[in-house]
Amino acid sequence: QVQLQQSGPGLVQPSQTLSLTCAISGDSVSSNSAAWYWIRQSPSRGLEWLGRTYYRSKWYTDYAVSVRGRMTMNPDTSKNQFSLQLTSVTPGDTAVYYCARVHSGIYYDSWGQGTLVTVSS
Amino acid sequence: DIQLTQSPSFLSASVGDRVTITCRASQGIASYLLWSQQKPGRPPKLLIYAASTLQSGVPSRFSGSGSGTEFTLTINSLQPEDFATYYCQQLNNFPPSFGQGTKLEIK
Repeated sequence: QVQLQQSGPGLVQPSQTLSLTCAISGDSVSSNSAAWYWIRQSPSRGLEWLGRTYYRSKWYTDYAVSVRGRMTMNPDTSKNQFSLQLTSVTPGDTAVYYCARVHSGIYYDSWGQGTLVTVSS
Repeated sequence: DIQLTQSPSFLSASVGDRVTITCRASQGIASYLLWSQQKPGRPPKLLIYAASTLQSGVPSRFSGSGSGTEFTLTINSLQPEDFATYYCQQLNNFPPSFGQGTKLEIK
């Protein structure tokens, strides 16, 4: 059974960088049948897909238009995890952030526990 | 981008009732629709994928149907643990998208 464990700070100051990590157990970040996602949820935006990374002979990464240019996802094969970095945050980035696995492009089958990130001074 | 619109946004029902939630896609997505249930403080839990396939371990009172642009989630004989928020989602068309949610409350 795949488990995803999130870590990272719950409070980030405006204009700073939000950094979260998602550690994977029960699968490999380099799996050829999985993709690794970041999603956030807030009362104003609902559930919002942010980005994904996956390995198919080489690494691919895609970002949502809303965060493109500010967001970076990095897979770490040595630690079997992937990360999210979101720069220049504003209070509008306050949300619960989730990592998730998508199996064979069909469905989300594993989620992290969620991290409430508040952007405030 | 595919927009998913759920109706209703709020639904009040009693234990034992049968309820139906609708999800409409802005473009045809064949049968590539998911339904998930979310309870406060928890991530979404997959109920149905491919519009009508029940995820392992999900009670059979949940069912899904539809294809193209209109989909439904039906819950027969509501149980107390079913009161939650339900989301439709699509993954097949990039970028992935979510419906705005339907909150199912106890009447």
